[in-house]
Amino acid sequence: NAGVMQNPRHLVRRRGQEARLRCSPVKGHSHVYWYRQLPEEGLKFMVYLQKENIIDESGMPKERFSAEFPKEGPSILRIQQVVRGDSAAYFCASSSPNEQFFGPGTRLTVL
Amino acid sequence: QKEVEQNSGPLSVPEGAIASLNCTYSDRGSQSFFWYRQYSGKSPELIMSIYSNGDKEDGRFTAQLNKASQYVSLLIRDSQPSDSATYLCAASSGGSYIPTFGRGTSLIVHP
Repeated sequence: NAGVMQNPRHLVRRRGQEARLRCSPVKGHSHVYWYRQLPEEGLKFMVYLQKENIIDESGMPKERFSAEFPKEGPSILRIQQVVRGDSAAYFCASSSPNEQFFGPGTRLTVL
Repeated sequence: QKEVEQNSGPLSVPEGAIASLNCTYSDRGSQSFFWYRQYSGKSPELIMSIYSNGDKEDGRFTAQLNKASQYVSLLIRDSQPSDSATYLCAASSGGSYIPTFGRGTSLIVHP
């Protein structure tokens, strides 16, 4: 059984570029969550989505960040005009609906 | 503001000993509780979930929940060096599938 898949695993962007992170949930899971984690810090909730719907985006910055979970295909977390402070590990988790299972994460480095 | 508190540690125990990790939560409406293990540079891995008062055992792991005291703990028996990791406690309330995570306790098991 495939777990949560994320790609790319590592992403390097220059300031001002766009970062696009993808997440494929566990087969059959309809709930997707995105988290950000800075080194030596805890997990910070960003957004909770179900298919075609954003349920809760209270943890996501209002500007430059957006997320979607289309009817077909992976969930996408998009960061426009990246800044150095966006450098972090971004984890996606899926659930059905209670226990969350995490993907391996995308490590974003902004130069 | 929902909070989950953990001692950051590090908690250092000798190989073969019992490691005891503790967590308190502020939201009395919390109904679901989770323990995750996170190795350095890796993603969180779900190791235990507990929903009712009392103990729940799974192999060398025992989760304990006391809702009256708003307290959750994780016991690891016969600790091994491979158990050295950060352990994250999480709690979610009824009707919300978004858990609140603690910042984690670092466990070091020394030979």
